[in-house]
Amino acid sequence: DAKTTQPNSMESNEEEPVHLPCNHSTISGTDYIHWYRQLPSQGPEYVIHGLTSNVNNRMASLAIAEDRKSSTLILHRATLRDAAVYYCILRDVGNAGNMLTFGGGTRLMVKP
Amino acid sequence: KAGVTQTPRYLIKTRGQQVTLSCSPISGHRSVSWYQQTPGQGLQFLFEYFSETQRNKGNFPGRFSGRQFSNSRSEMNVSTLELGDSALYLCASSSYWTSGSSYNEQFFGPGTRLTVL
Repeated sequence: DAKTTQPNSMESNEEEPVHLPCNHSTISGTDYIHWYRQLPSQGPEYVIHGLTSNVNNRMASLAIAEDRKSSTLILHRATLRDAAVYYCILRDVGNAGNMLTFGGGTRLMVKP
Repeated sequence: KAGVTQTPRYLIKTRGQQVTLSCSPISGHRSVSWYQQTPGQGLQFLFEYFSETQRNKGNFPGRFSGRQFSNSRSEMNVSTLELGDSALYLCASSSYWTSGSSYNEQFFGPGTRLTVL
């Protein structure tokens, strides 16, 4: 799977929107973009995924650049509970199996 | 629906010993994956089992092994423990193991914290 690049850390104020960027310049046409997050002392949890179009769910929105070389996870109103490490992961839909290749992720700190 | 459970949650061993960790997936899930998380290397894939067969394997030495039982429960074993094996070991389960599916959400357990002295 292609590699992703994320900032090491970001800071946000509570109740403000947060935009978490991810670069994936070598993405292939069959790579889906997945986001997981890991809250303190917990295992990672799924947030959202997409291919080309922007996606929304109850947790977040995913904005994908037209050339697909970057994407942005958007938390519309950050809460203290959103403080976590966020991982942007590419997964080739042509690969059977559930292996996830995690990078370093972005540690999001939320200030009250 | 109960989540993924891992036992034990904490474990302390000494170098040279072996250890077995257990994972019970979400009911109905047949795929179980194992990951190692350390401060230096981050989250790294160990292996994945589906229907009692190892389907994928990460880049770890042969001291790391696993198996899956007919009820989908899985165990991983580390023999001849080294200090560098100290880590959080995470198990994840999923209902599918197919290509062509964009959405194979992984459900992670809380992990087993292994300390090797």
